[in-house]
Amino acid sequence: AQTVTQSQPEMSVQEAETVTLSCTYDTSESNYYLFWYKQPPSRQMILVIRQEAYKQQNATENRFSVNFQKAAKSFSLKISDSQLGDTAMYFCAFKLTGNQFYFGTGTSLTVIP
Amino acid sequence: GAVVSQHPSWVICKSGTSVKIECRSLDFQATTMFWYRQFPKQSLMLMATSNEGSKATYEQGVEKDKFLINHASLTLSTLTVTSAHPEDSSFYICSAWGQASNQPQHFGDGTRLSIL
Repeated sequence: AQTVTQSQPEMSVQEAETVTLSCTYDTSESNYYLFWYKQPPSRQMILVIRQEAYKQQNATENRFSVNFQKAAKSFSLKISDSQLGDTAMYFCAFKLTGNQFYFGTGTSLTVIP
Repeated sequence: GAVVSQHPSWVICKSGTSVKIECRSLDFQATTMFWYRQFPKQSLMLMATSNEGSKATYEQGVEKDKFLINHASLTLSTLTVTSAHPEDSSFYICSAWGQASNQPQHFGDGTRLSIL
């Protein structure tokens, strides 16, 4: 069975600092896709970044980057230069080659001014 | 990027009313649409997966007669909450997915359903 674990229910970070959100997953498959979604108080789900398992290079989108460790089945999200608008729930998601997605339980991030 | 439109954004209605929520993919063909329910400060709970032209697959514990899902075209899926009761009050989110394996789900903005 596929599972996604986010072990940090809540985190906080000072504005302009860097924070890392952890995510681990479990699968026996070798080809899959990983995503981080952000859900701000408006509750809209926004795709932050994605990573394909066959790519060794870590994905980067501006201030957001991932540390993808395939052997360890770890997919952490690093937010640099945190901004107040980064305050949100962050969900890690995992997908195989079909249409099934698996979501973690989320990490609530608060950026402190 | 891909856009998914979900309407209405907020519904308040009396107990016993049936409520229909629409989910449209505006600029791509959605092979699969997902319906989620989300309680405050909790993760998304998958209710059902629908593929265009076929019956929806419901998750365990979700009443298919209570939550009717129709996915008649590649751009539209609807969720109808039949004879809604206060316990059905929640935040419902749809998402759509095309066919490419590496594509993420694209989410609608959600519908807040309040049953009085």
